[in-house]
Amino acid sequence: AQKITQTQPGMFVQEKEAVTLDCTYDTSDQSYGLFWYKQPSSGEMIFLIYQGSYDEQNATEGRYSLNFQKARKSANLVISASQLGDSAMYFCPFGGTSYGKLTFGQGTILTVHP
Amino acid sequence: NAGVTQTPKFQVLKTGQSMTLQCAQDMNHNSMYWYRQDPGMGLRLIYYSASEGTTDKGEVPNGYNVSRLNKREFSLRLESAAPSQTSVYFCASRVTVTQETQYFGPGTRLLVL
Repeated sequence: AQKITQTQPGMFVQEKEAVTLDCTYDTSDQSYGLFWYKQPSSGEMIFLIYQGSYDEQNATEGRYSLNFQKARKSANLVISASQLGDSAMYFCPFGGTSYGKLTFGQGTILTVHP
Repeated sequence: NAGVTQTPKFQVLKTGQSMTLQCAQDMNHNSMYWYRQDPGMGLRLIYYSASEGTTDKGEVPNGYNVSRLNKREFSLRLESAAPSQTSVYFCASRVTVTQETQYFGPGTRLLVL
């Protein structure tokens, strides 16, 4: 069974600074994907970025980048130049080979201060 | 461009009542999923449908049934609601097993008294 661990229940960052949200996973699958979703206080789940286990380069999407270290089984999200609108809960679900089912961790609440 | 839609947005039930949560997607996706999210926690998979005509259990299927009505629609039924089923329910869809990203609906908040 897969397991996702997000060790930071809450993180605080100053506006315009960069922040790293940690995510580690445990799996015996050889092929899998790691995702990051943002859940603002309004409740919707917003897809941010995806990293496949065989992707050689770290994924980037605008201000979001994924620091993927396969040997350490970590897939940390880096948000550059934080904005007030980045304040939200962040999840890094694991997607294995079994019909795309996602396994979620507890999430990290990010608060951006002005 | 609606994406994934869910109805209702909010529902209050009494213990023992039944209801069906509706989900529809207009992206021609093959796979659809139902998750629940309890306060302060991540989402847990209830049921999924890898393709039209198939359904299978996820991590927490007890107390629920599903129907993949057609390619667009995937409903979740609570036959006899219990307070433990108070949660936010999310429907999601994705293209195929080889296209990874799941797109989520806005969620249904369910309160069982």
